[in-house]
Amino acid sequence: QVHLVQSGAEMKKPGASVNVSCTTSGYTFSTYYIHWVRQAPGQNLEWMGRINPSSGSTSYTQKFQGRVTMASDSSTTTVYMELSSLRSDDTAMYYCTRYGSGSFNVFDHWGQGTLVIVSS
Amino acid sequence: DIQMTQSPSSLSASVGDRLTITCRASQFIRNDLNWYQQKPGKVPKRLIYGASSLESGVPARFSGSAFGTEFTLTISSLQPEDFGSYYCLQHNFYPPTFGAGTKVEIK
Repeated sequence: QVHLVQSGAEMKKPGASVNVSCTTSGYTFSTYYIHWVRQAPGQNLEWMGRINPSSGSTSYTQKFQGRVTMASDSSTTTVYMELSSLRSDDTAMYYCTRYGSGSFNVFDHWGQGTLVIVSS
Repeated sequence: DIQMTQSPSSLSASVGDRLTITCRASQFIRNDLNWYQQKPGKVPKRLIYGASSLESGVPARFSGSAFGTEFTLTISSLQPEDFGSYYCLQHNFYPPTFGAGTKVEIK
């Protein structure tokens, strides 16, 4: 059974960084990209970027360029997303989700979400 | 980026009603479109993939269709448990983009 399990909620001060993990199981880690999507309270889903766990290559949306870093660890089948220089408008639920080849395998399974609250 | 124009933004309907939610893509995206249901405080749940394929375990009252750049999610007979928000997602072009969502309320 496929599982994506994320790390717990975080409360951070403005200017700090947060590191969210997404530990996967139940499938071949290298065959699915992991994408990160966030959702501010009452707002739409927003794509942040993705990582190819096999090669480590990343692609980030321009909005987060320079502030987001994604990494993967194949030994633990875990992907990490670090967001730096946090602001209050980064308060959101952060989700990881997987992306494989073929429509059937696109954003089918999601992590449970990690709430990040940025407040002084 | 591909713009996904989703409508309506919200609706209120009665149990048994037929509902239609539409997403229009700013460019041709083939059938690379998914539909998700999200209940308050919960993870998005995929209902439809490939524009019209029903996710396993999803009730048959949900269906998806496509015509050019216009995509439709239909609920044939609304049930009380269908409240929540619905989002479309295109993944033909990078970056993947979501529609703005449709909030469904049960009268």
